[in-house]
Amino acid sequence: EAQVTQNPRYLITVTGKKLTVTCSQNMNHEYMSWYRQDPGLGLRQIYYSMNVEVTDKGDVPEGYKVSRKEKRNFPLILESPSPNQTSLYFCASSPSGTGKGYTFGSGTRLTVV
Amino acid sequence: AQSVTQLGSHVSVSEGALVLLRCNYSSSVPPYLFWYVQYPNQGLQLLLKYTSAATLVKGINGFEAEFKKSETSFHLTKPSAHMSDAAEYFCAVSSGGSNYKLTFGKGTLLTVNP
Repeated sequence: EAQVTQNPRYLITVTGKKLTVTCSQNMNHEYMSWYRQDPGLGLRQIYYSMNVEVTDKGDVPEGYKVSRKEKRNFPLILESPSPNQTSLYFCASSPSGTGKGYTFGSGTRLTVV
Repeated sequence: AQSVTQLGSHVSVSEGALVLLRCNYSSSVPPYLFWYVQYPNQGLQLLLKYTSAATLVKGINGFEAEFKKSETSFHLTKPSAHMSDAAEYFCAVSSGGSNYKLTFGKGTLLTVNP
């Protein structure tokens, strides 16, 4: 089944403790992206990647890092999480930009206390 | 820069009534436009998309949307609401050299009353 898989689905952590949210897609898509969803703000792009070793900032990159060492994986790293990063995170992928639309993962609900 | 405005954060309709969710966009070049649906505790699912072909676009679950360039609008409609349509709906735009970036509206929560 073609899909984007995120792990974990739920995570509660403490301020300052480094964490990684994994994202993997099995569709051989070039483009991948991370979004965060907050009530009343919709989805905002954190980082995106156009291909292996090619990444760039989205609208809200502060406090996040990403890497794209393999085409299928695009992990999101929070090196020192803070409470304002409590949010619902989505990974998404697309075969060639957005003309065909992104396929989204099921989301990771992160709580930083 | 591209942006999306969804009018109405919450829309409530009766079962069997017309569903109309409004979306206006801003883009400096011809856009790609999308509607996504999010059911509770799930990710986003693509409902339909406009990519410069027919201006009336049909999607899944009986939804359709019409691209109106003069009004910079891409409103989503469904003739007859069903209880299972209750969800949050997001309009999104992508344009120009940033065609890898989707910019989303803030979403419209659709409630369907029996």
